[in-house]
Amino acid sequence: AQSVDQPDAHVTLYEGASLELRCSYSYSAAPYLFWYVQYPGQSLQFLLKYITGDAVVKGTKGFEAEFRKSNSSFNLKKSPAHWSDSAKYFCALEGPTGYQNFYFGKGTSLTVIP
Amino acid sequence: DPKIIQKPKYLVAVTGSEKILICEQYLGHNAMYWYRQSAKKPLEFMFSYSYQKLMDNQTASSRFQPQSSKKNHLDLQITALKPDDSATYFCASSQDHWGVDTQYFGPGTRLLVL
Repeated sequence: AQSVDQPDAHVTLYEGASLELRCSYSYSAAPYLFWYVQYPGQSLQFLLKYITGDAVVKGTKGFEAEFRKSNSSFNLKKSPAHWSDSAKYFCALEGPTGYQNFYFGKGTSLTVIP
Repeated sequence: DPKIIQKPKYLVAVTGSEKILICEQYLGHNAMYWYRQSAKKPLEFMFSYSYQKLMDNQTASSRFQPQSSKKNHLDLQITALKPDDSATYFCASSQDHWGVDTQYFGPGTRLLVL
């Protein structure tokens, strides 16, 4: 069965530091992976996606993610972090039916201290 | 102007009652989806529609019934409401349901069942 794990419920760091949010997945086929961000009181916003090709994908707001097949990970990165990056981040995997049913991780709440 | 409209923003219902959550998208997309986000579970995929036809249903309960009167509408009818139905319900859309089109999410309807 397919699943997404975000092992860190909360991450706190200081502005200017590098951030890396972890995401691992379980899926038997080639994965299609996504990152979304949810600011307090708002809906989810698309950041980036990995389909195929280059392992490092760049997205909006200065974020990038690295796909590593060897350890089934798709970690989100940004350097330097800014206080406005404080939000909840969700990793998602497209399910096997092809009908765009996303499987989301539980999310990581990021706090960036100014 | 918001591209995906969900109404109402907040909804309080009594156990056993029935409610309809409204979703309209003005992105010209052909596929629409419903997700549920509760405190206890990660964001869960519920339904996907394409050209007003049901493509995927991952909701076990028949109390949840999507309704599509127009291509850009996908309402969600919930009958015999239970306190466990309390959650934020997100509508999303994408250009098509195949492949890896980016899904765009609406602002959500926060439902509280007493």
